[in-house]
Amino acid sequence: DTEVTQTPKHLVMGMTNKKSLKCEQHMGHRAMYWYKQKAKKPPELMFVYSYEKLSINESVPSRFSPECPNSSLLNLHLHALQPEDSALYLCASSLMGNQPQHFGDGTRLSIL
Amino acid sequence: GQQVMQIPQYQHVQEGEDFTTYCNSSTTLSNIQWYKQRPGGHPVFLIQLVKSGEVKKQKRLTFQFGEAKKNSSLHITATQTTDVGTYFCAEIIQGAQKLVFGQGTRLTINP
Repeated sequence: DTEVTQTPKHLVMGMTNKKSLKCEQHMGHRAMYWYKQKAKKPPELMFVYSYEKLSINESVPSRFSPECPNSSLLNLHLHALQPEDSALYLCASSLMGNQPQHFGDGTRLSIL
Repeated sequence: GQQVMQIPQYQHVQEGEDFTTYCNSSTTLSNIQWYKQRPGGHPVFLIQLVKSGEVKKQKRLTFQFGEAKKNSSLHITATQTTDVGTYFCAEIIQGAQKLVFGQGTRLTINP
């Protein structure tokens, strides 16, 4: 069981679609993260939010747009994705930026 | 770029054998975390090492942080089928809130 909830678990979308991934935690964590993970590779950091403010963008293409509506929620808005964007997208949270991270189950994204 | 190098990439053992994975860095690490990811699952935090020469144990798992804080290891004694998965070391880039993962060691076990 995970304390970080991600929806949806699976998503198939076309290259012209707009969709959003959602992440929620109620542990009072003030840092939240988006990672991208390709098969047999480690998670790669995309974005970091600290106290609801974007603190790190790892040069992610603008077709990925993060949003942090409040301290418990993190969204990732997707638009005009490419087939190479197919991957597992993991959300994580931590009490502070240097503390252990709690990961959600991820959204497995396929771009047609 | 990648801060920590992790070896081996794969390890297959017979159940009951021991297993070790190593992480090495060319620079001094502020601290290191270890995560386990089961097949089809998500990374799960195992431990964080902060002090030079630190050794921590969790049942059959032993974690070490080198004296120079440039390397770390995870040793599993008498593996069980539940140990199957990929073990990642990860470095926190101090002050940057950034966790950078090693390439991981994928452990498979023959029952």
